Amino acid sequence: DGGITQSPKYLFRKEGQNVTLSCEQNLNHDAMYWYRQDPGQGLRLIYYSQIVNDFQKGDIAEGYSVSREKKESFPLTVTSAQKNPTAFYLCASSPQGVYEQFFGPGTRLTVL
Amino acid sequence: GQNIDQPTEMTATEGAIVQINCTYQTSGFNGLFWYQQHAGEAPTFLSYNVLDGLEEKGRFSSFLSRSKGYSYLLLKELQMKDSASYLCAVRPDYSSASKIIFGSGTRLSIRP
Repeated sequence: DGGITQSPKYLFRKEGQNVTLSCEQNLNHDAMYWYRQDPGQGLRLIYYSQIVNDFQKGDIAEGYSVSREKKESFPLTVTSAQKNPTAFYLCASSPQGVYEQFFGPGTRLTVL
Repeated sequence: GQNIDQPTEMTATEGAIVQINCTYQTSGFNGLFWYQQHAGEAPTFLSYNVLDGLEEKGRFSSFLSRSKGYSYLLLKELQMKDSASYLCAVRPDYSSASKIIFGSGTRLSIRP
């Protein structure tokens, strides 16, 4: 089945630790995105990538880093510099020339 | 700046009709999306409007007026499963894989 997978669904980390969230898609989509969602809020864009080996900062990139070494994969690292990392993180992808974004199931990160 | 406004919460009765409004002020416009998001889950695509007018898809319809910076999502024959958040989102520029700006969402509760 084609789709976007994010793992794990729930993640707990101690304050001060870096953590990497996985996002994989087998839809052959060119573009991939990372969003953060806080309770009762909409989605805010962290980073996006339109092609392999290229990515751009979104609206709230500080304290986060990404890589795009393969078309299928767009991992997000939440660094210790991110002041309030506890949130629901959503990965999405879209094909070229089509505007709809398809979302993965999300990872809920809790920093203790 | 970019701004998308929609009501925070709405309540409606099973079997009735509800209209969720969205107004936007963005640097450009290349389409408006509506997504549905159940609690703790990923958003799912409902509709896309790029030209003025009404797009109908089953029980859901979406309307756009570009001159007024206004859209609405109309849900008919409401069912309990329609209880969810509804996110209005705008694509401000013409790149095929550019970012989408999301509103904060409208939490819709359906009562029997």
